[in-house]
Amino acid sequence: EAGVAQSPRYKIIEKRQSVAFWCNPISGHATLYWYQQILGQGPKLLIQFQNNGVVDDSQLPKDRFSAERLKGVDSTLKIQPAKLEDSAVYLCASSFETGRDEKLFFGSGTQLSVL
Amino acid sequence: QQPVQSPQAVILREGEDAVINCSSSKALYSVHWYRQKHGEAPVFLMILLKGGEQKGHDKISASFNEKKQQSSLYLTASQLSYSGTYFCGTVGRAGGTSYGKLTFGQGTILTVHP
Repeated sequence: EAGVAQSPRYKIIEKRQSVAFWCNPISGHATLYWYQQILGQGPKLLIQFQNNGVVDDSQLPKDRFSAERLKGVDSTLKIQPAKLEDSAVYLCASSFETGRDEKLFFGSGTQLSVL
Repeated sequence: QQPVQSPQAVILREGEDAVINCSSSKALYSVHWYRQKHGEAPVFLMILLKGGEQKGHDKISASFNEKKQQSSLYLTASQLSYSGTYFCGTVGRAGGTSYGKLTFGQGTILTVHP
């Protein structure tokens, strides 16, 4: 079974530039999550989709971050403009359903460095 | 509300045991445990849904004390492959059902030496 695919693996940009991350969840998984993991901390949920609808985006900095999941499969997370504090690993995860007791399958993440 | 994990780091020799604790200031519906090796994705270990529930996964097991709002992860006879950062995630409880999102703790770094 193929896992959660993410790209790119690494990205280095300067502050105020824009960047986009891509995620392809496990086939058949209705729910997709984007997490931000700052060095030394646990993953923090940015946005959760069920199919192509947003379930929770309460912790997404909407003035600079945006995400979409067209057709309920792939998803893109964008940051524009980036700030130094956005340096982190951005993890995508998926689960079969949306329940709070679902097992999450994580991708390997995109490590973003903002200079 | 982020759960608090302790200790922050543990160093073991192969074959030794370790306990990692996860505590919350709020009532809990479920506790989730993940392990993340350096540079890799977090991997699911187990979910505990009921107070008092204990689960095992090879020589890794966990308990959930609903009254104390905490969970403990037990690693028995540790192996080199157990090295990594262990995260607990918690879901709050409101009445008899779940409430809020899964929130992860800050992690516990476990290092096993030969």
